[in-house]
Amino acid sequence: NAGVTQTPKFRVLKTGQSMTLLCAQDMNHEYMYWYRQDPGMGLRLIHYSVGEGTTAKGEVPDGYNVSRLKKQNFLLGLESAAPSQTSVYFCASSDPDLEDGAPYEQYFGPGTRLTVT
Amino acid sequence: QKEVEQDPGPLSVPEGAIVSLNCTYSNSAFQYFMWYRQYSRKGPELLMYTYSSGNKEDGRFTAQVDKSSKYISLFIRDSQPSDSATYLCSSGNTGKLIFGQGTTLQVKP
Repeated sequence: NAGVTQTPKFRVLKTGQSMTLLCAQDMNHEYMYWYRQDPGMGLRLIHYSVGEGTTAKGEVPDGYNVSRLKKQNFLLGLESAAPSQTSVYFCASSDPDLEDGAPYEQYFGPGTRLTVT
Repeated sequence: QKEVEQDPGPLSVPEGAIVSLNCTYSNSAFQYFMWYRQYSRKGPELLMYTYSSGNKEDGRFTAQVDKSSKYISLFIRDSQPSDSATYLCSSGNTGKLIFGQGTTLQVKP
Protein backbone atom coordinates (compact mmCIF):
# COMPACT_ATOMS: atom_id res chain seq x y z
CA ASN A 1 0.00 0.00 0.00
CA ALA A 2 1.96 2.99 -1.31
CA GLY A 3 -0.63 5.63 -0.31
CA VAL A 4 -0.22 8.79 -2.40
CA THR A 5 2.65 9.01 -4.85
CA GLN A 6 3.78 11.95 -6.97
CA THR A 7 5.85 12.07 -10.14
CA PRO A 8 8.34 13.68 -10.62
CA LYS A 9 10.01 14.60 -7.32
CA PHE A 10 11.99 17.51 -8.78
CA ARG A 11 11.77 19.50 -11.98
CA VAL A 12 13.35 22.62 -13.44
CA LEU A 13 11.48 24.37 -16.23
CA LYS A 14 12.20 27.41 -18.35
CA THR A 15 9.60 30.15 -18.63
CA GLY A 16 6.99 29.21 -21.19
CA GLN A 17 7.56 25.46 -21.05
CA SER A 18 4.76 23.09 -20.17
CA MET A 19 4.65 20.04 -17.94
CA THR A 20 2.28 17.63 -16.19
CA LEU A 21 2.53 16.48 -12.60
CA LEU A 22 1.08 13.06 -11.87
CA CYS A 23 -0.57 12.02 -8.63
CA ALA A 24 -1.66 8.45 -7.93
CA GLN A 25 -3.41 6.96 -4.89
CA ASP A 26 -4.14 3.33 -4.12
CA MET A 27 -6.61 3.86 -1.26
CA ASN A 28 -9.72 4.08 -3.48
CA HIS A 29 -10.41 7.60 -2.21
CA GLU A 30 -13.10 9.67 -3.92
CA TYR A 31 -11.60 13.12 -3.33
CA MET A 32 -8.25 14.35 -4.61
CA TYR A 33 -6.53 17.72 -4.29
CA TRP A 34 -3.61 19.73 -5.62
CA TYR A 35 -1.92 22.30 -3.35
CA ARG A 36 1.05 24.57 -3.65
CA GLN A 37 3.17 25.47 -0.63
CA ASP A 38 5.19 28.67 -0.52
CA PRO A 39 7.13 30.15 2.43
CA GLY A 40 4.80 32.02 4.79
CA MET A 41 1.72 31.12 2.72
CA GLY A 42 0.88 27.67 3.99
CA LEU A 43 -0.96 25.23 1.74
CA ARG A 44 -3.11 26.84 -0.93
CA LEU A 45 -5.61 24.77 -2.86
CA ILE A 46 -5.18 24.90 -6.65
CA HIS A 47 -7.84 22.47 -7.91
CA TYR A 48 -9.69 19.53 -6.46
CA SER A 49 -11.91 16.65 -7.53
CA VAL A 50 -14.79 14.96 -5.73
CA GLY A 51 -14.91 11.99 -8.05
CA GLU A 52 -13.77 10.50 -11.33
CA GLY A 53 -14.48 12.86 -14.21
CA THR A 54 -15.08 15.91 -11.98
CA THR A 55 -12.85 18.87 -11.19
CA ALA A 56 -13.32 22.21 -9.43
CA LYS A 57 -11.28 25.35 -8.86
CA GLY A 58 -9.65 26.08 -5.56
CA GLU A 59 -8.10 29.24 -4.15
CA VAL A 60 -5.33 29.76 -6.74
CA PRO A 61 -6.35 28.02 -10.02
CA ASP A 62 -4.97 30.49 -12.59
CA GLY A 63 -2.25 29.06 -14.83
CA TYR A 64 -3.09 25.45 -13.98
CA ASN A 65 -5.38 22.80 -15.43
CA VAL A 66 -6.32 19.38 -14.06
CA SER A 67 -7.89 16.14 -15.18
CA ARG A 68 -9.30 13.13 -13.32
CA LEU A 69 -9.91 10.51 -15.99
CA LYS A 70 -9.37 7.63 -13.57
CA LYS A 71 -10.36 7.50 -9.92
CA GLN A 72 -6.82 6.75 -8.77
CA ASN A 73 -5.07 9.49 -10.79
CA PHE A 74 -5.16 13.29 -10.68
CA LEU A 75 -3.03 15.24 -13.14
CA LEU A 76 -1.92 18.86 -12.76
CA GLY A 77 -0.83 20.69 -15.89
CA LEU A 78 1.11 23.89 -16.40
CA GLU A 79 0.57 25.08 -19.96
CA SER A 80 3.08 27.94 -19.95
CA ALA A 81 5.22 27.99 -16.84
CA ALA A 82 6.05 31.29 -15.11
CA PRO A 83 8.61 32.04 -12.37
CA SER A 84 5.68 32.73 -10.01
CA GLN A 85 4.83 29.03 -10.24
CA THR A 86 8.09 28.07 -8.55
CA SER A 87 6.84 26.17 -5.54
CA VAL A 88 6.44 22.81 -3.83
CA TYR A 89 3.34 21.02 -5.08
CA PHE A 90 1.47 18.52 -2.93
CA CYS A 91 -1.24 16.11 -3.94
CA ALA A 92 -3.66 14.73 -1.37
CA SER A 93 -6.63 12.40 -1.24
CA SER A 94 -9.50 11.82 1.17
CA ASP A 95 -12.70 9.88 1.51
CA PRO A 96 -15.68 11.33 3.41
CA ASP A 97 -17.20 7.88 3.93
CA LEU A 98 -14.28 6.35 5.81
CA GLU A 99 -15.48 4.47 8.86
CA ASP A 100 -12.18 4.81 10.70
CA GLY A 101 -10.13 7.93 11.22
CA ALA A 102 -10.99 11.59 10.99
CA PRO A 103 -13.70 12.72 8.59
CA TYR A 104 -12.14 14.38 5.59
CA GLU A 105 -8.61 13.49 6.73
CA GLN A 106 -6.35 14.21 3.82
CA TYR A 107 -3.44 11.94 2.97
CA PHE A 108 -0.56 13.76 1.32
CA GLY A 109 2.07 12.71 -1.15
CA PRO A 110 5.77 13.54 -0.72
CA GLY A 111 5.64 16.64 -2.92
CA THR A 112 7.16 17.86 -6.19
CA ARG A 113 9.71 20.68 -6.08
CA LEU A 114 9.32 22.79 -9.18
CA THR A 115 11.63 25.63 -10.18
CA VAL A 116 10.80 27.88 -13.13
CA THR A 117 13.69 29.99 -14.39
CA GLN B 1 -7.93 37.89 5.02
CA LYS B 2 -7.54 34.11 5.00
CA GLU B 3 -10.31 32.06 6.56
CA VAL B 4 -7.73 30.40 8.79
CA GLU B 5 -4.91 32.50 10.24
CA GLN B 6 -1.83 31.16 11.97
CA ASP B 7 1.28 32.86 13.31
CA PRO B 8 4.11 31.48 11.14
CA GLY B 9 6.73 31.83 13.86
CA PRO B 10 9.39 30.49 13.87
CA LEU B 11 9.18 29.25 17.44
CA SER B 12 12.23 27.96 19.31
CA VAL B 13 11.95 26.33 22.74
CA PRO B 14 14.21 24.22 25.00
CA GLU B 15 13.54 20.52 25.39
CA GLY B 16 10.87 19.85 28.01
CA ALA B 17 9.03 23.13 27.48
CA ILE B 18 5.28 23.42 27.03
CA VAL B 19 4.46 24.65 23.54
CA SER B 20 1.28 26.48 22.57
CA LEU B 21 0.35 26.84 18.91
CA ASN B 22 -2.66 28.90 17.95
CA CYS B 23 -4.94 29.68 15.04
CA THR B 24 -8.05 31.72 14.42
CA TYR B 25 -10.75 31.07 11.85
CA SER B 26 -13.54 33.22 10.49
CA ASN B 27 -16.17 30.84 9.07
CA SER B 28 -18.81 29.89 11.66
CA ALA B 29 -19.84 26.91 9.52
CA PHE B 30 -16.53 25.11 10.08
CA GLN B 31 -17.06 21.92 12.08
CA TYR B 32 -13.83 19.97 11.70
CA PHE B 33 -10.55 21.19 13.10
CA MET B 34 -7.31 19.43 12.38
CA TRP B 35 -3.64 19.76 13.14
CA TYR B 36 -1.14 18.44 10.62
CA ARG B 37 2.58 17.98 11.27
CA GLN B 38 5.07 18.38 8.47
CA TYR B 39 8.69 17.37 8.77
CA SER B 40 11.25 19.04 6.56
CA ARG B 41 10.93 18.04 2.90
CA LYS B 42 7.99 15.73 3.63
CA GLY B 43 4.25 15.88 3.09
CA PRO B 44 1.95 16.87 5.97
CA GLU B 45 0.47 14.11 8.15
CA LEU B 46 -2.59 14.33 10.38
CA LEU B 47 -1.63 14.74 14.03
CA MET B 48 -4.98 15.36 15.72
CA TYR B 49 -8.52 16.34 14.90
CA THR B 50 -11.55 17.58 16.80
CA TYR B 51 -15.17 17.95 15.86
CA SER B 52 -16.97 21.08 17.08
CA SER B 53 -15.85 22.55 20.41
CA GLY B 54 -13.89 20.99 23.24
CA ASN B 55 -10.61 19.34 24.05
CA LYS B 56 -8.96 16.20 22.78
CA GLU B 57 -5.86 14.66 24.32
CA ASP B 58 -3.43 12.19 22.80
CA GLY B 59 -0.32 11.53 24.84
CA ARG B 60 1.69 14.74 25.09
CA PHE B 61 -0.61 16.57 22.66
CA THR B 62 -3.86 18.38 23.43
CA ALA B 63 -6.07 20.01 20.79
CA GLN B 64 -8.57 22.63 21.88
CA VAL B 65 -11.33 24.42 19.99
CA ASP B 66 -13.32 27.40 21.25
CA LYS B 67 -16.07 28.05 18.72
CA SER B 68 -17.33 31.12 20.59
CA SER B 69 -14.06 32.93 19.94
CA LYS B 70 -13.15 30.96 16.77
CA TYR B 71 -9.85 29.92 18.31
CA ILE B 72 -7.93 26.68 17.70
CA SER B 73 -5.00 25.60 19.88
CA LEU B 74 -2.48 22.78 20.06
CA PHE B 75 -0.50 22.21 23.25
CA ILE B 76 2.60 20.04 23.41
CA ARG B 77 3.78 18.97 26.85
CA ASP B 78 7.37 17.90 27.59
CA SER B 79 8.45 18.89 24.09
CA GLN B 80 11.14 16.75 22.44
CA PRO B 81 13.65 17.48 19.66
CA SER B 82 11.65 15.03 17.52
CA ASP B 83 8.71 17.47 17.73
CA SER B 84 10.68 19.92 15.59
CA ALA B 85 8.50 20.40 12.52
CA THR B 86 6.00 22.73 10.91
CA TYR B 87 2.49 22.51 12.39
CA LEU B 88 -0.47 23.40 10.21
CA CYS B 89 -3.97 24.01 11.52
CA SER B 90 -6.91 23.44 9.22
CA SER B 91 -10.66 23.75 9.30
CA GLY B 92 -13.62 22.94 7.12
CA ASN B 93 -17.13 21.55 6.97
CA THR B 94 -16.94 19.53 3.77
CA GLY B 95 -14.18 17.70 1.94
CA LYS B 96 -12.39 20.99 1.32
CA LEU B 97 -10.06 22.06 4.13
CA ILE B 98 -8.59 25.52 4.60
CA PHE B 99 -5.05 25.53 5.98
CA GLY B 100 -3.27 28.11 8.07
CA GLN B 101 0.17 29.39 7.12
CA GLY B 102 1.93 26.86 9.39
CA THR B 103 4.13 27.46 12.45
CA THR B 104 7.70 26.18 12.37
CA LEU B 105 8.77 24.79 15.74
CA GLN B 106 12.31 23.97 16.81
CA VAL B 107 12.90 22.13 20.08
CA LYS B 108 16.51 22.46 21.19
CA PRO B 109 18.14 19.66 23.23
